[in-house]
Amino acid sequence: DGGITQSPKYLFRKEGQNVTLSCEQNLNHDAMYWYRQDPGQGLRLIYYSQIVNDFQKGDIAEGYSVSREKKESFPLTVTSAQKNPTAFYLCASRGVLESGEAFFGQGTRLTVV
Amino acid sequence: GEDVEQSLFLSVREGDSSVINCTYTDSSSTYLYWYKQEPGAGLQLLTYIFSNMDMKQDQRLTVLLNKKDKHLSLRIADTQTGDSAIYFCAEAPRDTGRRALTFGSGTRLQVQP
Repeated sequence: DGGITQSPKYLFRKEGQNVTLSCEQNLNHDAMYWYRQDPGQGLRLIYYSQIVNDFQKGDIAEGYSVSREKKESFPLTVTSAQKNPTAFYLCASRGVLESGEAFFGQGTRLTVV
Repeated sequence: GEDVEQSLFLSVREGDSSVINCTYTDSSSTYLYWYKQEPGAGLQLLTYIFSNMDMKQDQRLTVLLNKKDKHLSLRIADTQTGDSAIYFCAEAPRDTGRRALTFGSGTRLQVQP
């Protein structure tokens, strides 16, 4: 089936650790996005990538890093510099058409312990 | 700048119609979307409307767009308990390099049996 797969579904991080969230898509989409969702709030854009080997900061990029070495993959690293990382993280991809809907993965819930 | 606003909560009885409202600010937006999020899951696209349309109907869903007032609404006919979820309005601003959707804070729909 075509779609976006995020893993793991749940992730626990100790203070001072870096953790990496996986996002893989087989939709042949060029654009991929990472959003953060906090309770009662909408989705805030962390990073996005329009093409392989290129990515840009979104609205809340501090404390996060990404890579885009393959079209299918867009992993997100939450670094120790991110002071409040506990949240629900959503990955999305979008095709080239202007009408193209964004497809979402099932999300990763990150908790700092 | 881009901003999408929604009311936070709506409660209806099973069988009634639900109307979820959204306002947006970017007049250059070409497409407007409605997404549904069930607990602990990603976002699922329900429907979208092109900005030169006034209305779109898809089974129990009716989208109304008032472009002059930048107001979008989603009507769910014969609301069922399975419709209980958070509903997000999103716009796709034109002429932004990142092509990322901008989301509202979401409206939590509670359906009473």
